[in-house]
Amino acid sequence: DAGITQSPRHKVTETGTPVTLRCHQTENHRYMYWYRQDPGHGLRLIHYSYGVKDTDKGEVSDGYSVSRSKTEDFLLTLESATSSQTSVYFCAISVQRGPQETQYFGPGTRLLVL
Amino acid sequence: AQKITQTQPGMFVQEKEAVTLDCTYDTSDQSYGLFWYKQPSSGEMIFLIYQGSYDEQNATEGRYSLNFQKARKSANLVISASQLGDSAMYFCAMRRPGRGNQFYFGTGTSLTVIP
Repeated sequence: DAGITQSPRHKVTETGTPVTLRCHQTENHRYMYWYRQDPGHGLRLIHYSYGVKDTDKGEVSDGYSVSRSKTEDFLLTLESATSSQTSVYFCAISVQRGPQETQYFGPGTRLLVL
Repeated sequence: AQKITQTQPGMFVQEKEAVTLDCTYDTSDQSYGLFWYKQPSSGEMIFLIYQGSYDEQNATEGRYSLNFQKARKSANLVISASQLGDSAMYFCAMRRPGRGNQFYFGTGTSLTVIP
């Protein structure tokens, strides 16, 4: 358990409204990630962060922005939600323990955009 | 472009038998990491096993082993002595080096263990 929480866990919103998802970690790990999971696509990287105020785009970043003002929090914002952004969103951290590297995931957020 | 391919959308295995889930990857990087994750019907993503590209021995974690064939760019997951609780989606992933350590995931294989 890497102490990752996501909020909210479920959200229903309407097209055109802004939505912010929060990822919180308790262990001060440097790397944090936002993914979306859709049937037939596996997990696709939206944005990632390698430190406070250091973020970069992943493969499906259009329509999303992120912020990381504190090590423990990584926020994902949908500026104007669209139905194509209905998905399950996972936050993750990357942890190096000796020679082994592991990525731990949060419990996920189910977002429905009507 | 980095790519992970899992060609088996669904697999069935008899309880107590071994099963191999296929994964091939495409990268021009010399240093990379390969991972397998399990996602049960409850939805959480569970880390199973990791293999570094410079590791000469295949990784093992309990009943899980990773059959790493670097020249073929394959990283198959072997589950020995399957249990009913192994029924889940399994995802192969690759981490490329560099700033941010980007990860790329395959589309997954659904494994069903038959009693």
